[in-house]
Amino acid sequence: GNSVTQMEGPVTLSEEAFLTINCTYTATGYPSLFWYVQYPGEGLQLLLKATKADDKGSNKGFEATYRKETTSFHLEKGSVQVSDSAVYFCALGYSSASKIIFGSGTRLSIRP
Amino acid sequence: EAGVAQSPRYKIIEKRQSVAFWCNPISGHATLYWYQQILGQGPKLLIQFQNNGVVDDSQLPKDRFSAERLKGVDSTLKIQPAKLEDSAVYLCASSLDPTEADYGYTFGSGTRLTVV
Repeated sequence: GNSVTQMEGPVTLSEEAFLTINCTYTATGYPSLFWYVQYPGEGLQLLLKATKADDKGSNKGFEATYRKETTSFHLEKGSVQVSDSAVYFCALGYSSASKIIFGSGTRLSIRP
Repeated sequence: EAGVAQSPRYKIIEKRQSVAFWCNPISGHATLYWYQQILGQGPKLLIQFQNNGVVDDSQLPKDRFSAERLKGVDSTLKIQPAKLEDSAVYLCASSLDPTEADYGYTFGSGTRLTVV
């Protein structure tokens, strides 16, 4: 079946460090891929998305590229801030199934 | 536009009690979803409505969970009776149409349920 696997946390970095959170997926066909972020005490927010192979999604300094050959959608940011501390979820979705399948989440903590 | 509204924000109940959660989606959004997010896990779809009809409830524990969306607008999710393992955040989401699964959809802030 369709699934998403992302690197386990927690991930702790110093401010201004480079961030990578790995995400791989198993799916048939051509799903869309997403990163959602959940700040403490808040709901899920869509961070970025990519709807086809080789697309790059970007938002707030974060980027992820849809790699069909490696079935991956790794999240990157060149210089993290304390305010980036949150839980990040990789996810996939199909319009035909109209539901989104989430990974288990990666907790990111940034030290000042 | 106003976001997806959920209430209450927090609920603590004893096992075997009943509880209900309410969701008001974004105006005009035909598709509504309820997700369960257990601590340390990703959200899992419980039920999906298209207007007031159920599209997918394959992962809803129907012996204790029920949901309705009578007028195709707001929705209620009920648990009766609750078990300890139902402790989770219950998230509601909505989208204009199902194809927005290609583009992501909008989540509410969730209701955190603790069963003691």
